[in-house]
Amino acid sequence: AQKITQTQPGMFVQEKEAVTLDCTYDTSDPSYGLFWYKQPSSGEMIFLIYQGSYDQQNATEGRYSLNFQKARKSANLVISASQLGDSAMYFCAMRGYNTNAGKSTFGDGTTLTVKP
Amino acid sequence: DGGITQSPKYLFRKEGQNVTLSCEQNLNHDAMYWYRQDPGQGLRLIYYSQIVNDFQKGDIAEGYSVSREKKESFPLTVTSAQKNPTAFYLCASSHEGTEVEAFFGQGTRLTVV
Repeated sequence: AQKITQTQPGMFVQEKEAVTLDCTYDTSDPSYGLFWYKQPSSGEMIFLIYQGSYDQQNATEGRYSLNFQKARKSANLVISASQLGDSAMYFCAMRGYNTNAGKSTFGDGTTLTVKP
Repeated sequence: DGGITQSPKYLFRKEGQNVTLSCEQNLNHDAMYWYRQDPGQGLRLIYYSQIVNDFQKGDIAEGYSVSREKKESFPLTVTSAQKNPTAFYLCASSHEGTEVEAFFGQGTRLTVV
């Protein structure tokens, strides 16, 4: 079994500031991948960043970085220099490689609002 | 352009009727997925398929059925056994492996009237 927990239903951040969205996970698989997606009000899902369970370095993609703490089973998303267009729902997800091979599990999401 | 196409975008169904949601991809992806999303909530996995002619139940498969006769297509049927089918349905596909992201369609909003 695998589970994703996002404990922040909503977050506010001032434009140009950084914000951290929390994600913790649980899985029985020794090997897995962690993903973050953005869902604007239009409903489409946009891939942001990926972290593999055996990656030594934290993943970064432009203004997005993933703070991966394997022992704590956390994979927090950090958005630097927030922009108004970052206002959206953000989902943390994982995909296992062994028992849960092929199965992707999503958290309940965090709604981020960027204030001007 | 390569992508994943869901149709229709909006669908209305009368209670007691089965309805089929279409999902087609031309990305040559092996794996395909169906998710349900209720307002303000996350995605819940209905079914997934890693290869043609094979699929597995996700977390909320009851009242749904799928087929995977072709690599490009993964239609979802919402049957009359699904007690509360009104929701936003998202289809996704990906290459095999853990390190690749999923590509999503635009979604189908199903309303039971």
